[in-house]
Amino acid sequence: TQLLEQSPQFLSIQEGENLTVYCNSSSVFSSLQWYRQEPGEGPVLLVTVVTGGEVKKLKRLTFQFGDARKDSSLHITAAQPGDTGLYLCAGGAAGNKLTFGGGTRVLVKP
Amino acid sequence: GAGVSQSPRYKVAKRGQDVALRCDPISGHVSLFWYQQALGQGPEFLTYFQNEAQLDKSGLPSDRFFAERPEGSVSTLKIQRTQQEDSAVYLCASSLTYRREGREQYFGPGTRLTVT
Repeated sequence: TQLLEQSPQFLSIQEGENLTVYCNSSSVFSSLQWYRQEPGEGPVLLVTVVTGGEVKKLKRLTFQFGDARKDSSLHITAAQPGDTGLYLCAGGAAGNKLTFGGGTRVLVKP
Repeated sequence: GAGVSQSPRYKVAKRGQDVALRCDPISGHVSLFWYQQALGQGPEFLTYFQNEAQLDKSGLPSDRFFAERPEGSVSTLKIQRTQQEDSAVYLCASSLTYRREGREQYFGPGTRLTVT
């Protein structure tokens, strides 16, 4: 069974601070996706990374896929209250189904 | 265009009742997935369709869970004789293809099932 572990489980920071969320596995994934989910809504895709060592930037968000395609990180620079939500990493493998991590709940206080 | 829609958004069932949850995927999307999300957890895979064919049902927790997609578009997840442990949010997702390009999954808002 492929498992994804996210850390930390919860993060509370002040507006303007930086934060990093980690996603680790002992298994190799063909792709890694990051989602953000708000209460009462489904997850919304932020980015997909497929190549080991790949780095993608989306405004203040930077996503990195580990060289061995087993781990990933999400870094947010100068966090804003609108970044508050549940961040989920998900690994793609054979059959297209996604294996999700347990999520990191981020709270950005104004 | 319209995203993935699910109905009902909320369902309260008494233990032992049967429930049916509906998913309308994005038009033209070949693949459809069902996930179960317990409170405070990440979603867990239940089952996967490619058009009308159910290719993977390895995540269904018991034979009380049944999913279908008879015409390759709308899908229904049915839970028979509901138990309290079935209480969760049921998420549906669709993707354009099963090939590497275009297989990003787009999620609906979910159906929150509460079994009392």
